[in-house]
Amino acid sequence: DVKVTQSSRYLVKRTGEKVFLECVQDMDHENMFWYRQDPGLGLRLIYFSYDVKMKEKGDIPEGYSVSREKKERFSLILESASTNQTSMYLCASSLTSGRVGALDEQYFGPGTRLTVT
Amino acid sequence: AQTVTQSQPEMSVQEAETVTLSCTYDTSESDYYLFWYKQPPSRQMILVIRQEAYKQQNATENRFSVNFQKAAKSFSLKISDSQLGDAAMYFCAYRSARAGANSKLTFGKGITLSVRP
Repeated sequence: DVKVTQSSRYLVKRTGEKVFLECVQDMDHENMFWYRQDPGLGLRLIYFSYDVKMKEKGDIPEGYSVSREKKERFSLILESASTNQTSMYLCASSLTSGRVGALDEQYFGPGTRLTVT
Repeated sequence: AQTVTQSQPEMSVQEAETVTLSCTYDTSESDYYLFWYKQPPSRQMILVIRQEAYKQQNATENRFSVNFQKAAKSFSLKISDSQLGDAAMYFCAYRSARAGANSKLTFGKGITLSVRP
């Protein structure tokens, strides 16, 4: 079974702190994603990566950056946390990109509930 | 840009009954994939069912089936013989299948399904 793990289930940080959210997948997937989930807004894509050291902005990248130094690990960084970044953060990974996509199921981690005070 | 709309924020169903969750989407593409994801209260998102737009036959997975109406851009999920474990938030999602497209998913806002014993 594919396993996607996130470093913390719950995290409380102060405004202005630098925050790292870590995600690790164990199935050699090329693609990795970071979403935030807010009530009434669904899931919104922050950043994604289709290869090591490659990244692309999603729909709401402002205030975030990412790092992918190894294939299995994708980090989300909040350079200076703000209260409006209080949210549930979900990481996902998938095997392939492009036309093959019938098998391109995204597998999700359990989520990190981040509270910024 | 593609959009996915889930207009019902909440639904309720009696155990053993059937319920249909609605989803509409907007796209100018002819080739794409549609998904329903389930997020139980434990928060780990899992894939329920997927549909390839070029296939006319509606997808079925045990008690879960879809009604895919390509012309109407509608993709509803039917859950038969509802069980208490079906209680969750359900998200409809879209992914392009055109050549060169990446693996981004566009999600709807989700619907919370409760199951009455």
